[in-house]
Amino acid sequence: GENVEQHPSTLSVQEGDSAVIKCTYSDSASNYFPWYKQELGKRPQLIIDIRSNVGEKKDQRIAVTLNKTAKHFSLHITETQPEDSAVYFCAGGSNYKLTFGKGTLLTVNP
Amino acid sequence: KAGVTQTPRYLIKTRGQQVTLSCSPISGHRSVSWYQQTPGQGLQFLFEYFSETQRNKGNFPGRFSGRQFSNSRSEMNVSTLELGDSALYLCASSIPSGGQGETQYFGPGTRLLVL
Repeated sequence: GENVEQHPSTLSVQEGDSAVIKCTYSDSASNYFPWYKQELGKRPQLIIDIRSNVGEKKDQRIAVTLNKTAKHFSLHITETQPEDSAVYFCAGGSNYKLTFGKGTLLTVNP
Repeated sequence: KAGVTQTPRYLIKTRGQQVTLSCSPISGHRSVSWYQQTPGQGLQFLFEYFSETQRNKGNFPGRFSGRQFSNSRSEMNVSTLELGDSALYLCASSIPSGGQGETQYFGPGTRLLVL
């Protein structure tokens, strides 16, 4: 089955800096890679996703890149703000199943 | 549109009991997935239902089961509860996209505590 590895597990940045979270996956059949943000005590919220026929996608300060050959994908957040502080999860999916990484706790220091 | 709803939000049970959790998907969404979230293991896939049929399942024991009704609402059941079943149980709904990955929207979860 699919295995998704996520790094780092914790990340601390200064406000205004960029943050990068990386994930690798094992199943070449995976064709969908979403990223979720989960604030303390709240539900995971989709922030961006990418499909296997696309190499990069941007939405304002957030971007995701996908390298199918190397089986890795990354989340990039630019100009970080304190409200970006949360746990971020990557996931890889196909066949009606998403496999999640273990999460990255991002702390943005004012 | 109203989001995904789950009931109850909190539950306390004792070992050996059974529990049933409910999930109502976003209107028009016909796929419902269930996940267990714990601090140590993160989000783990339990199973997915579409049109009352289970299409995929994760690596959980048979004590964990689910079903889906004709209105797309779903329930999951855990029998013979163990202490390790304490977790946040999340469901997510999606509109099937013909085999491509499906964008999933999560409910608020049911926090289960087993004593």
